[in-house]
Amino acid sequence: NAGVTQTPKFRVLKTGQSMTLLCAQDMNHEYMYWYRQDPGMGLRLIHYSVGEGTTAKGEVPDGYNVSRLKKQNFLLGLESAAPSQTSVYFCASSGDHYEQYFGPGTRLTVT
Amino acid sequence: SQQGEEDPQALSIQEGENATMNCSYKTSINNLQWYRQNSGRGLVHLILIRSNEREKHSGRLRVTLDTSKKSSSLLITASRAADTASYFCATAGGSARQLTFGSGTQLTVLP
Repeated sequence: NAGVTQTPKFRVLKTGQSMTLLCAQDMNHEYMYWYRQDPGMGLRLIHYSVGEGTTAKGEVPDGYNVSRLKKQNFLLGLESAAPSQTSVYFCASSGDHYEQYFGPGTRLTVT
Repeated sequence: SQQGEEDPQALSIQEGENATMNCSYKTSINNLQWYRQNSGRGLVHLILIRSNEREKHSGRLRVTLDTSKKSSSLLITASRAADTASYFCATAGGSARQLTFGSGTQLTVLP
């Protein structure tokens, strides 16, 4: 039972490049979330999903897209990376209860 | 925007002492949760208190909630060096259980 896993753990991009972050959960959770965390700040919600095939915008969605083709996976895409997207990205999932389970994070640097 | 604001931003105590962190929020909530984040790691859920509860205990943790003042506190008793981490409050509302995080309190427990 791995919980929530994220790949990759680290990535360096040049401005304008694209990439996809993968989140996987093995807890059969309906809800999945993508957050970003910047130094000295809490987490801010980028996008979320309430079930397979659904996605919705969070607080800071600009510059990101997401897809939830399978219940266990939630993908976060950056189409044209910008230095302002340098951050640590966390995926989380939740099930019948309100508490969220977090992955270990992906540290992204955009130069 | 951050819903919760933690106070203090940083707290340093000796092992065995109690640590108290406070959280204020702005809008009505369904529940309030506290999470811990060790350096370089994902967040771990600690405790959840519902809007109709005033106090909750879990091991060495005690959480209070005052909805009239829109505030919560987290007390860690008999702290240990292993409690060194950042602590975040998060408020939940909306149908998708979206969490809005505060900016966190960095707790350092000195051996």
